Amino acid sequence: KNEVEQSPQNLTAQEGEFITINCSYSVGISALHWLQQHPGGGIVSLFMLSSGKKKHGRLIATINIQEKHSSLHITASHPRDSAVYICAVKGRDTASKLTFGTGTRLQVTL
Amino acid sequence: DAGVTQSPTHLIKTRGQHVTLRCSPISGHKSVSWYQQVLGQGPQFIFQYYEKEERGRGNFPDRFSARQFPNYSSELNVNALLLGDSALYLCASSWRLTSGVGELFFGEGSRLTVL
Repeated sequence: KNEVEQSPQNLTAQEGEFITINCSYSVGISALHWLQQHPGGGIVSLFMLSSGKKKHGRLIATINIQEKHSSLHITASHPRDSAVYICAVKGRDTASKLTFGTGTRLQVTL
Repeated sequence: DAGVTQSPTHLIKTRGQHVTLRCSPISGHKSVSWYQQVLGQGPQFIFQYYEKEERGRGNFPDRFSARQFPNYSSELNVNALLLGDSALYLCASSWRLTSGVGELFFGEGSRLTVL
């Protein structure tokens, strides 16, 4: 079993839909990252969370430390949101090693 | 300000060859981490360097090595290439060792194909 599991693996939505991507992890963490990866490879950091909720534009990320679960929500989805969304956790050691989920491939259509 | 830059962006090697991948972190960033991303999977941690010292190593064979230079740029070296080394190699930088309270910045990656 992977330390970080994401669901769903693939997601197709129509423009305007509300989208939720889930991430569950099995280890103690100090922080959780949500990342966006576009075709070609470039990764952009969307959020870093250690508790509660963060919002940036149409994106909202939440984390429940007790349940070892995080969600990424996209409101009013748009085709430009099409990308792979990756959850990554940082353990409690002093290094910055991240353990990644396998990603959720999102396709938003018109 | 330039972001994290990696070179080369694409390269093709044959089995048994050696490859060197390079990463220049964002100015002021002292930590560089390397990740391997095989097609269809999430990235896997290879190394972290901070202030020119190795601070973390993932579960990769000794064929993989890295170093960090005084200007904080970094090289990843892979010897005796195998077909399974074909992947996107990502470099990430942060300004300090524990990026948990800051942001992590990724380069575009170096796509290695081993034939």
